[in-house]
Amino acid sequence: QSVLTQPPSTSGTPGQRVAISCSGSSSNLGSNTVNWYQQLPGTAPKLLIYTNNQRPSGVPDRFSGSKSGTSASLAISGLQSEDEADYYCATWDDSLNGVVFGGGTKLTVL
Amino acid sequence: EVQLVESGGGLVKPGGSLRLSCAASGFSFSSYSVNWVRQTPGKGLEWVSCISSGSGYKYYAASVKGRFTISRDDAKKSLYLQMNSLRAEDTALYYCARVRDGYNYAMSDYWGQGTLVTVSS
Repeated sequence: QSVLTQPPSTSGTPGQRVAISCSGSSSNLGSNTVNWYQQLPGTAPKLLIYTNNQRPSGVPDRFSGSKSGTSASLAISGLQSEDEADYYCATWDDSLNGVVFGGGTKLTVL
Repeated sequence: EVQLVESGGGLVKPGGSLRLSCAASGFSFSSYSVNWVRQTPGKGLEWVSCISSGSGYKYYAASVKGRFTISRDDAKKSLYLQMNSLRAEDTALYYCARVRDGYNYAMSDYWGQGTLVTVSS
């Protein structure tokens, strides 16, 4: 059972917009910023969004992030087949004194 | 080009020990905090441990505290994870990952390709 809660799976068709939620508590998302990772099949995770809504260089602006209170969301607009991957949220937990990840959401592009 | 290359994984019996290494290149290793993150095949990511630049801060997941020790050698641009009293549930692909900004340990911008640890009799 992960400290951060994500839906196990979601899907969309090319061109569509999808959103992935990440729910936590006051000790993690409620007091720290959230980061999102994309993991393509057979590869290492890649930083997709950092500090709630910032994109690293090279990440398309189709990807956006937001956070409010103890919840965060990753939105992907103009869905493409290459977006099919696992997505993880992550933050620091002040009570556990460590990094916590969501359980991951598998995105399928239909 | 930033590179992180893990090594030291392998097959070990329950109760045994293993030392993982992560060789860094392409950046000023001493200036960055670094994480170990693991992933059981087909499952999600689990943070294991992190160490700050200068080694002043070290943190561990509850599942490995007291059994694993993180360390670094800035002269050798290397990160280590000493794993003792290994259990079957420690079986995973172990990644090292660079922390992008200071002490925001949840923000890892570069990852290695991982080294596989299998704990089995």
